[in-house]
Amino acid sequence: QKEVEQNSGPLSVPEGAIASLNCTYSDRGSQSFFWYRQYSGKSPELIMFIYSNGDKEDGRFTAQLNKASQYVSLLIRDSQPSDSATYLCAAPGAGNNRKLIWGLGTSLAVNP
Amino acid sequence: SAVISQKPSRDICQRGTSLTIQCQVDSQVTMMFWYRQQPGQSLTLIATANQGSEATYESGFVIDKFPISRPNLTFSTLTVSNMSPEDSSIYLCSVTGGGGTEAFFGQGTRLTVV
Repeated sequence: QKEVEQNSGPLSVPEGAIASLNCTYSDRGSQSFFWYRQYSGKSPELIMFIYSNGDKEDGRFTAQLNKASQYVSLLIRDSQPSDSATYLCAAPGAGNNRKLIWGLGTSLAVNP
Repeated sequence: SAVISQKPSRDICQRGTSLTIQCQVDSQVTMMFWYRQQPGQSLTLIATANQGSEATYESGFVIDKFPISRPNLTFSTLTVSNMSPEDSSIYLCSVTGGGGTEAFFGQGTRLTVV
C-alpha cells in the first residue's frame, strides 16, 4: 500500500519568513509529486509538481525532491498571510488508473 | 488544464433522502474521480468513474450507497443515498490533466444532513 505522509501542523510562521512543508513517501518507484493548496471551504488547486531530483522554482515557491531519502518538500519564501491554507502532497498510485495518493495535509498559518 | 462545473455547491438534506451531485467537464476525459472530504480531513477517494463501464469503488464504499453514472466523456453524477448525518461532508469530483497525472477539481458540494 503506497503511502504519503505529512505533518498535519499547524505550522505557524511570521509574515516574510520561509515556510517549509515536508512530505515523505513509501514507494521508491514514485516518479512524480504534486503540491496542492486548499483554502478553507475551497477545492484543492495545484501549485507545483516535480519529477526530477533537486529543486524546482516557481516564483516564491520551490519544490525539492530527494528520491534517495524519499521526501519532497515545498518552500514558500516571503510568506504572506494569503498563503495561509492547507497544503496537500500527492503522488500517483500504482498502475495506469491515474489515481493520486494524498497526504493528510499540513495547515499553514502566516501571521502578520 | 480542465474546467469542472460541479453542482449543487451546497445543500441541506433530511436524513433518509438522497442527493445527486453533477459534474460537467469542459473536455473529454477518460476517468473521473469522486472524493469525500470530512471537516479537517484530507481527501478520501470514493470511486473512479469510467465511461462505458461500472465505477470502481474504494474499500469502505459501496455502489448501493454511492451510485455513480458516467453517460459520456464529459459528465458524471454521484448520488449519496439514504443519507445520515455521518454523510455530512464535502464531495469533490476530479479529473486528471491530459498530459500527466495532476488532478483538477470541481468547486465541491458541501452537504449537511439533518
